Amino acid sequence: DAGITQSPRYKITETGRQVTLMCHQTWSHSYMFWYRQDLGHGLRLIYYSAAADITDKGEVPDGYVVSRSKTENFPLTLESATRSQTSVYFCASRGTDNYGYTFGSGTRLTVV
Amino acid sequence: GQNIDQPTEMTATEGAIVQINCTYQTSGFNGLFWYQQHAGEAPTFLSYNVLDGLEEKGRFSSFLSRSKGYSYLLLKELQMKDSASYLCAVILDQTGANNLFFGTGTRLTVIP
Repeated sequence: DAGITQSPRYKITETGRQVTLMCHQTWSHSYMFWYRQDLGHGLRLIYYSAAADITDKGEVPDGYVVSRSKTENFPLTLESATRSQTSVYFCASRGTDNYGYTFGSGTRLTVV
Repeated sequence: GQNIDQPTEMTATEGAIVQINCTYQTSGFNGLFWYQQHAGEAPTFLSYNVLDGLEEKGRFSSFLSRSKGYSYLLLKELQMKDSASYLCAVILDQTGANNLFFGTGTRLTVIP
């Protein structure tokens, strides 16, 4: 099916563990983004990518790593999870115009 | 720094009209989005304004004044299903990615 999908939908992990959140889109959109959403902060940009092998930091990149070896995939890795990274994570993509930012369904991550 | 202000919560009656305001102070501006987000779901696109004026789409309208750093979302003929959070987001023209900077959102409750 066309669209943008995130996995897993829910994840519980322990402090210090590495965890990877997956994002896959089928539109061949150039731009992909990772946001986190927390109460009182709204959505904040973690990392973004303009194309395969091109990534850049957003507003809150510390503690996160991204890669983009293929246009359709943009995984987000927490190298050593901390409780402050408990959040809802949204992946988004868009084409070459300013319309059409589309968000995935989100991953609710809890770090215990 | 970047700042977007929206009221935290609003309540309105079914069938009525409600206006949700958004003021922004950002280092760049390349357009403004309004998104709707139901609890536990992804944000979904409502409107996009890049020029001053009113954009109308069915029951929803959005207004932009770039000189005042001000936008509003107008919802007419409110329905119970309109109970959701409404997110104002500015496209920052810092890079070609045109990243979105979000406000914290306005939670709208529609009552019978």
